[in-house]
Amino acid sequence: DAKTTQPTSMDCAEGRAANLPCNHSTISGNEYVYWYRQIHSQGPQYIIHGLKNNETNEMASLIITEDRKSSTLILPHATLRDTAVYYCIAPYSGAGSYQLTFGKGTKLSVIP
Amino acid sequence: DAGVTQSPTHLIKTRGQQVTLRCSPKSGHDTVSWYQQALGQGPQFIFQYYEEEERQRGNFPDRFSGHQFPNYSSELNVNALLLGDSALYLCASSRTGQPNTGELFFGEGSRLTVL
Repeated sequence: DAKTTQPTSMDCAEGRAANLPCNHSTISGNEYVYWYRQIHSQGPQYIIHGLKNNETNEMASLIITEDRKSSTLILPHATLRDTAVYYCIAPYSGAGSYQLTFGKGTKLSVIP
Repeated sequence: DAGVTQSPTHLIKTRGQQVTLRCSPKSGHDTVSWYQQALGQGPQFIFQYYEEEERQRGNFPDRFSGHQFPNYSSELNVNALLLGDSALYLCASSRTGQPNTGELFFGEGSRLTVL
């Protein structure tokens, strides 16, 4: 069963920040939160992951609440190419491997 | 540096037939996972191969089988195809050894249509 819940869809104006929320109140203390996105007709693409500290890379920022029950993915300046389905995932990790359980994700539409 | 490559990109089969899909992982990766993505749904984990053995398996019947070769490439085989097997099949590669960030790299997928 998916350990995360996300809104079904969101809109964002081009050039504005896109803030995508995710609830993961049941994850354990050592489970990371990963974000992937899938642009239409392409394979999913890794964005970022974190445990309890905020993280930033060239694509996005990840803000995790102190209680780790939720997080927000931030795309600072959304472009039309950011239109995609965004997945928040807490992977099963066993035997040194990672098994991703995808939900339906959030469909982000960036509007011109 | 080539990423994950999959073949074929599209194929059409009829019910009862068998299909083989192929995947070459990203350079330096030793682990291959396969996912099935039905239309409008998120990808579902089928199984994962490491050191030429199936290491983890999702909730898929035995009609779905796989193989990993010494060069880390992998095949997904589906026997006795059903209409419900129509989907995008995604291959993802990763590295089990260090460094291990848990990041998966996905291919573009193989679109299977069963008639």
